[in-house]
Amino acid sequence: EIVLTQSPATLSLSPGERATLSCRASQSVSSYLAWYQQKPGQAPRLLIYDASNRATGIPARFSGSGSGTDFTLTISSLEPEDFAVYYCQQRSNWPPIITFGQGTRLEIK
Amino acid sequence: QVQLQESGPGLVKPSGTLSLTCAVSGGSISSSNWWSWIRQPPGKGLEWIGEIYHSGSTNYNPSLKSRVTISVDKSKNQFSLKLSSVTAADTAVYYCARTQWLQGWFDPWGQGTLVTVSS
Repeated sequence: EIVLTQSPATLSLSPGERATLSCRASQSVSSYLAWYQQKPGQAPRLLIYDASNRATGIPARFSGSGSGTDFTLTISSLEPEDFAVYYCQQRSNWPPIITFGQGTRLEIK
Repeated sequence: QVQLQESGPGLVKPSGTLSLTCAVSGGSISSSNWWSWIRQPPGKGLEWIGEIYHSGSTNYNPSLKSRVTISVDKSKNQFSLKLSSVTAADTAVYYCARTQWLQGWFDPWGQGTLVTVSS
């Protein structure tokens, strides 16, 4: 089973700052990595799929990069509504298992 | 656009069976997607439970496989989850989601439903 490790666990930043969130896989996942944003009381929302493609309606300040085992989600200039928990996720072909990272909490400094 | 809605009892007794249904609207469950169940215990992270294709093929999380059954009803455009022998550790918000065929990302998600295991 592929394990995804996200860092840091908590990131404290101010609006307008740049956020960089990391997701490391225990083995290569090619580019099959997704990122989600979750706000309290809401379902997760897809932000990035296939490592670097923004989902429909996602602002351009969100970008994803990486391949293999190391991936990054970048928020170029934080807006107040961006403070939330972020998860990475991958699907392995064999065995066919889907796993999530443990999440990074992005909080207002 | 496709929307998903979970339904089922919010309270299940220990050792009982948790049963939930996810109704799909705005699209066909027979499209080229998998359909997944994901859960989130209060204050914790996300855990994938399993997925089903409209043909009936399933994949399950190995940690839950012995207790999970996911089924599909194409005539009603919905799929279902059964989790047996539940304990308090199964208390969580349960989400259903459409799962992209190959890469496995989830979009959209249902709003989620809280299931509490308690006597």
